[in-house]
Amino acid sequence: KAGVTQTPRYLIKTRGQQVTLSCSPISGHRSVSWYQQTPGQGLQFLFEYFSETQRNKGNFPGRFSGRQFSNSRSEMNVSTLELGDSALYLCASSRQLAGDGTDTQYFGPGTRLTVL
Amino acid sequence: AQSVSQHNHHVILSEAASLELGCNYSYGGTVNLFWYVQYPGQHLQLLLKYFSGDPLVKGIKGFEAEFIKSKFSFNLRKPSVQWSDTAEYFCAVIGAQKLVFGQGTRLTINP
Repeated sequence: KAGVTQTPRYLIKTRGQQVTLSCSPISGHRSVSWYQQTPGQGLQFLFEYFSETQRNKGNFPGRFSGRQFSNSRSEMNVSTLELGDSALYLCASSRQLAGDGTDTQYFGPGTRLTVL
Repeated sequence: AQSVSQHNHHVILSEAASLELGCNYSYGGTVNLFWYVQYPGQHLQLLLKYFSGDPLVKGIKGFEAEFIKSKFSFNLRKPSVQWSDTAEYFCAVIGAQKLVFGQGTRLTINP
C-alpha cells in the first residue's frame, strides 16, 4: 500500500511569489492535514480537509490556503511569500477526521520550501 | 488552548542505556496521545498511541509510554537503546479537534 506522497520535494522561491504544494493521501483516506515544521517553532498545524471541506484551521495568516479534491488529493497554496515561510511542509492523511482523535495520521516526506 | 511540553531538547546516551523522554500536556478534556519519531532523512512515523484503556502502551521497536492522567504526562521509555534509535522524537496530543506537537527531543546514541 503506497504511503502519503508529496510533490515537489524541494522548492526554491523568492519573496513575493506564490507556491502550490501537492499531497496525495493513502488510498481510502479522506482526511488530509497540513503542518509547517521549522527549527524554531517545531511542528505547527495549518489546516485539515475532509470530504473537500476545511474542517479545522491553525493560527496562520490568510496567505496560507488549501483545498481538497473529490479524490482526496489536497493542495496547499502560499501567496506573497516571506522569508519566514521557509520550512518543511508536511502533509498527513487518515481515514477519519483527524480532529476527532480516534484515528492515526500517517505523514508524507514533506516539501522543503526555501524562500530567498 | 492545549499545549505540549517536551523538557529535554537534546539527550545523549550510550548504547544499552535506558531511556525516558518527558512529555507533559495541558488540556482539561479527554485527550488522545501520540509519540512520533523522525529518523534522519526520513518522514515522521508513529511509534505508539494512547486512546483509552490500559495507560501503559507498547509501541514498535521496544518503546513504551505511560499515560498518567493526574500528572498530565505521557513519558516515552525504552529499557535499552540502540545506535539506530538516533532520531528526533515528538510527543503530540489531540484535544479540541487539533493535533498539537511538542518541540521535539533530539536523541543521539553513541555506539
